[in-house]
Amino acid sequence: GAGVSQSPSNKVTEKGKDVELRCDPISGHTALYWYRQSLGQGLEFLIYFQGNSAPDKSGLPSDRFSAERTGGSVSTLTIQRTQQEDSAVYLCASSLGSASYGYTFGSGTRLTVV
Amino acid sequence: RKEVEQDPGPFNVPEGATVAFNCTYSNSASQSFFWYRQDCRKEPKLLMSVYSSGNEDGRFTAQLNRASQYISLLIRDSKLSDSATYLCVVNDPGTYKYIFGTGTRLKVLA
Repeated sequence: GAGVSQSPSNKVTEKGKDVELRCDPISGHTALYWYRQSLGQGLEFLIYFQGNSAPDKSGLPSDRFSAERTGGSVSTLTIQRTQQEDSAVYLCASSLGSASYGYTFGSGTRLTVV
Repeated sequence: RKEVEQDPGPFNVPEGATVAFNCTYSNSASQSFFWYRQDCRKEPKLLMSVYSSGNEDGRFTAQLNRASQYISLLIRDSKLSDSATYLCVVNDPGTYKYIFGTGTRLKVLA
């Protein structure tokens, strides 16, 4: 597709359940980022993938969070045993190489943990 | 000190006004700078990169002051459609990460 595609666009889940969020980057973009944005807050870096290199996981807030990127394309962010504080908009972005020209964001997944 | 700081606003300006925002950054080794625009409940979208010599795109002008470690965004002839939150973005040197400011909210009033 022409842009970064994320699914689902909205997800309501019960506390303690696991969720999977999907990101399909722009074709040919080697770099993929996950951020999250809580209500009224700035963007918080979670994880970065670049080609076949080991991902930079330094922003993941706890071991309940994990992410994969298969075949250098689609990425899945998994949150296990969700907590209410996980409620946020999860944004995926992709870029060519090192993002010297900026990222393109997907429209995000709005996660609500009840 | 925060890595990237912005005045949260809101800046309320009448249509046609000129408005400017600043953003300060803490790491003098940062080399890449951007302004993004974020509309309510939407994803951020790249507005413009910020180059050392300053750059202009229509009504928008971005400047970099390395000595004082800030970047600025000037909007001339404000339109109602310029109402949004403007995010300052700076690279984290030695990594591929970018650090986002919390944004400056602009409201252009009719």
